[in-house]
Amino acid sequence: SYELTQPPSVSVSPGQTARIPCSGDALPKKYSYWFQQKSGLAPVLVIYEDNKRPSGIPERFSASTSGTVATLIITGAQVEDDADYYCYSTDPSGNQGVFGGGTKLTVL
Amino acid sequence: QVQLQQWGAGELRPSETLSLTCEVHGGSFKDFYWTWIRQPPGKGLEWLGEINHTGETKSNPSLTSRVTISIDTSKNQFYLKLNSVSASDTAMYYCEGFDDGFDVWGPGTMVTVSS
Repeated sequence: SYELTQPPSVSVSPGQTARIPCSGDALPKKYSYWFQQKSGLAPVLVIYEDNKRPSGIPERFSASTSGTVATLIITGAQVEDDADYYCYSTDPSGNQGVFGGGTKLTVL
Repeated sequence: QVQLQQWGAGELRPSETLSLTCEVHGGSFKDFYWTWIRQPPGKGLEWLGEINHTGETKSNPSLTSRVTISIDTSKNQFYLKLNSVSASDTAMYYCEGFDDGFDVWGPGTMVTVSS
């Protein structure tokens, strides 16, 4: 079955740039999405269709894709960005949605 | 502003059927893709399947034989049924809707399967 691979954890100091990669063979052809989840809450969409920000999401959140790797970029990470982040995409057929395993971002 | 309300049984015995309902308030029901997602305690998100207003569905191949997703546009509701549950189906279950950059989640329903 199709998989998206993320590192379990990333750590940065406040004000630094955090980069969270997501690897998947179909990413060159399928859109990627990124969700932020804080403890005890439902996830929140922060990036859709590779690099678009939903209304209300701070400009410090961006994303890029190079080959089979999509990367969430948080420029000038803040303490409130401390959360779990999940990438999402579809398998090559487009018939199945898939989440990455999630990355715990620590900002301190 | 679109909001989702979800409900269903929170405690099940092994082999029973999980049934959840998600009701959509506000917005245009027909514009969205509606999805079910679950999250076991302390673990990551798992995509279960999705449906659109025409009833076209896609589901997780690992669950296809047990999962049914359906919709009732007259009630602005969509549904998840998962039969023959076991302890491994214990999770927080979320309904979610997406339309052109707008994403909305239900509050989640914790379902525990235990004998």
